[in-house]
Amino acid sequence: GQQVMQIPQYQHVQEGEDFTTYCNSSTTLSNIQWYKQRPGGHPVFLIQLVKSGEVKKQKRLTFQFGEAKKNSSLHITATQTTDVGTYFCAAILLTDSWGKFQFGAGTQVVVTP
Amino acid sequence: EPEVTQTPSHQVTQMGQEVILRCVPISNHLYFYWYRQILGQKVEFLVSFYNNEISEKSEIFDDQFSVERPDGSNFTLKIRSTKLEDSAMYFCASSRTGPQPQHFGDGTRLSIL
Repeated sequence: GQQVMQIPQYQHVQEGEDFTTYCNSSTTLSNIQWYKQRPGGHPVFLIQLVKSGEVKKQKRLTFQFGEAKKNSSLHITATQTTDVGTYFCAAILLTDSWGKFQFGAGTQVVVTP
Repeated sequence: EPEVTQTPSHQVTQMGQEVILRCVPISNHLYFYWYRQILGQKVEFLVSFYNNEISEKSEIFDDQFSVERPDGSNFTLKIRSTKLEDSAMYFCASSRTGPQPQHFGDGTRLSIL
């Protein structure tokens, strides 16, 4: 079954608005990575979170790892048209070894000017 | 900036035929991965490889699949007897160490007829 759930599947935002995508697991995670994939492109690494409660920021992007290490979020403020793409989380379950990344279904983001 | 390169960019093969997808990971990276992405769907983990052996594999990676590092630079994925449902984009990725940022290639689009 699906180990890593990501919501929403689709997000339509007006330029300038904020939005958040969430990644949830019923199993404790050892770490989680976030990737962005532009249409027709390949996944591009954004960030890795390892510690419980960790928060990392990259300009308008804020990434958070839950205290229980079962969920994570990506929050984008003041969305721009360059934010268009699909955002994936990729997690390693605590029960798996480092090499087995489980990807969420992705949140496809469309930005209207 | 160093890149992961994949060849060919598009492969069309008759069902039942063998296919080999090729990847050249970033030169100082030690960990290699294969993923697939069916059109419009999420990225699915196939296999991870380190120190000339498979570290982890998913349920998708059955006896029809194999990986090899035939020399110091190439990393290949072989599908022995292709099926229609093998049609997908196949991404190779590499990372310097285990749970580190993965760098993805542009992918090989595999079409099975």
